[in-house]
Parts: sequence; structure tokens; C-alpha cells
Amino acid sequence: GAGVSQSPSNKVTEKGKDVELRCDPISGHTALYWYRQSLGQGLEFLIYFQGNSAPDKSGLPSDRFSAERTGGSVSTLTIQRTQQEDSAVYLCASSFRPGHDSPLHFGNGTRLTVT
Amino acid sequence: SQKIEQNSEALNIQEGKTATLTCNYTNYSPAYLQWYRQDPGRGPVFLLLIRENEKEKRKERLKVTFDTTLKQSLFHITASQPADSATYLCALLRQAGTALIFGKGTTLSVSS
Repeated sequence: GAGVSQSPSNKVTEKGKDVELRCDPISGHTALYWYRQSLGQGLEFLIYFQGNSAPDKSGLPSDRFSAERTGGSVSTLTIQRTQQEDSAVYLCASSFRPGHDSPLHFGNGTRLTVT
Repeated sequence: SQKIEQNSEALNIQEGKTATLTCNYTNYSPAYLQWYRQDPGRGPVFLLLIRENEKEKRKERLKVTFDTTLKQSLFHITASQPADSATYLCALLRQAGTALIFGKGTTLSVSS
């Protein structure tokens, strides 16, 4: 079956521009997560959705970052006024239900480069 | 503060040997621990989950142990193959929410 889909796979933008990253989770998965992975670094948690609400957005690094999820499905991560330090791979994951024993299914990420 | 440490960034072994990767954590009391594999340019892929009341879990050539006293999990790959070369990540549930927190990973290279 279809896995988690992310688009675009690569995005190059100029410093100061806004970008939108899209995630299509696996159908029926209620939980959706955004992570960021910088070169040589681990996965940094950004935000978690249960349905359309975000019970945990504590990982968003600044108010330039926001995310929404509609229809309990597609999610968009928006970065406003991009900075060079925003360059990273942004990974989306979904799981059947939130919590301890439900493994995450990841997309292959969007590689964002801010020039 | 809460930390997850995977004790080596890189591990090089010969084909056929057993690879052992370590995951240590502090200031957590996780009920579960998960291991993922990540290949270059791809998202992580789930491998195994072990619960706190399980000392050991096996799946084909993979074995995971979980010692809540030592606050440590060991991940073993027996009869390793070059195709096992990848980065392996351990992950725990955040205490404050329901998001998994990942270690930085150990990159395993298996040479033939």
C-alpha cells in the first residue's frame, strides 16, 4: 500500500522567502509528526498532530514555523522568512494511533536548502 | 535533562560477525523503546519495539535487549551482511507527550 508521501522532495529557496512543505500520511493513521534532521544530527521533534489538533508543538524552533493538518489527513509545515539555519531535511511520519506501541512510518523527507 | 545516547557514531565490522549497538538514556522511565534503520536519503524504517517487561526481543537476525536498571538497550545483528550497512536509531517516548525522541544514531558499515 501507499506509504507516507512528502513533497517537494527538494526545495531551494532564498533567505527571507516563505516555504510550504507537504505531507500525505498513510490513510487511516490518526497521528502525524514532523521532525527535522540536520547534517550529522539526530532527528529533532517539531510538532505532533492527533487528528487536526496539535497537542504538542513544543519542538517548533521559533514563531516563524507553523503547521496545520486538515481533514485528519494532509499536513503542511510552513516556514516564514527562511534563514540559512533552517536548511535541513524535514521528515514527516504517521502512526495508526499515538502513544507507546505504535511504530512511526516515515516519508523520505523534503531537503530544504536556504541560500 | 533527558538524554538518549548511542555510544558510537560509527561501527565497522566484517561480514559474518555480530554487530552490537548501544543505546543509553538518562532521566527517562520509558515503557517502550524502538529501533529504526535509516538509509542515506531515506526516512527511518521501524525495526523492533521492546517493552519494559520484556528482557529480549528477536526478529530474524536481529535481537534487542532492554535493561531498565542500567537504562540501556542493546541491538544485535548476527551474521551481518554488507546489506545491513545503514544508520540505526533508537527512540523513546517523550515523558511530556506522545512524540518519540531519537538518538543521533550509529552508522554501521559491514565489509565483505
